[in-house]
Amino acid sequence: AQTVTQSQPEMSVQEAETVTLSCTYDTSESNYYLFWYKQPPSRQMILVIRQEAYKQQNATENRFSVNFQKAAKSFSLKISDSQLGDTAMYFCAFDQGAQKLVFGQGTRLTINP
Amino acid sequence: DSGVTQTPKHLITATGQRVTLRCSPRSGDLSVYWYQQSLDQGLQFLIQYYNGEERAKGNILERFSAQQFPDLHSELNLSSLELGDSALYFCASSLNKRGSSSYNEQFFGPGTRLTVL
Repeated sequence: AQTVTQSQPEMSVQEAETVTLSCTYDTSESNYYLFWYKQPPSRQMILVIRQEAYKQQNATENRFSVNFQKAAKSFSLKISDSQLGDTAMYFCAFDQGAQKLVFGQGTRLTINP
Repeated sequence: DSGVTQTPKHLITATGQRVTLRCSPRSGDLSVYWYQQSLDQGLQFLIQYYNGEERAKGNILERFSAQQFPDLHSELNLSSLELGDSALYFCASSLNKRGSSSYNEQFFGPGTRLTVL
């Protein structure tokens, strides 16, 4: 079974700093998708970024970028120039193509003014 | 706003009772997914429907059932409720057009918070 592990339950940084959230996963599949979702205090699940495993190039979305290491089964999220609005729970998720998302336990990120 | 609507927003009930959660997908989306977010189990996939038919099942209890209607809205029925069923229940939808090779992103609704007392 696929598993997703987020080893950092909580992180805290100052506004404008860069922060990296870690995620590792376990699968025997070669084709799959990886995601980072943001869940702010409103509880809404918001897709931050997506990475296709067959693409070697790391995905980027404005201030958000990933470091995808397929051999190491690692998928970290880097948030540059962090903003107060980035305060949220962040979930790493995996989909092998069946569209059953498997989520990690989440990292609670706090951006301090 | 993702375009996915869920009702009710909050639900408080007692153990042993039965409740129904409702989800309306984004316009044009054919697939509906249900997820449960609880403190001890995290976010878990429960079940997926595509155009009225069950497509995939996850860790869904036998006390839980779901269906998708011809107008594509979906309902999740939870019966014989236990304290441990207290959670946030999310519905998500995606297009899943036949023949499409692109990934079908799931758009999440705002969730229904269920409290079982």
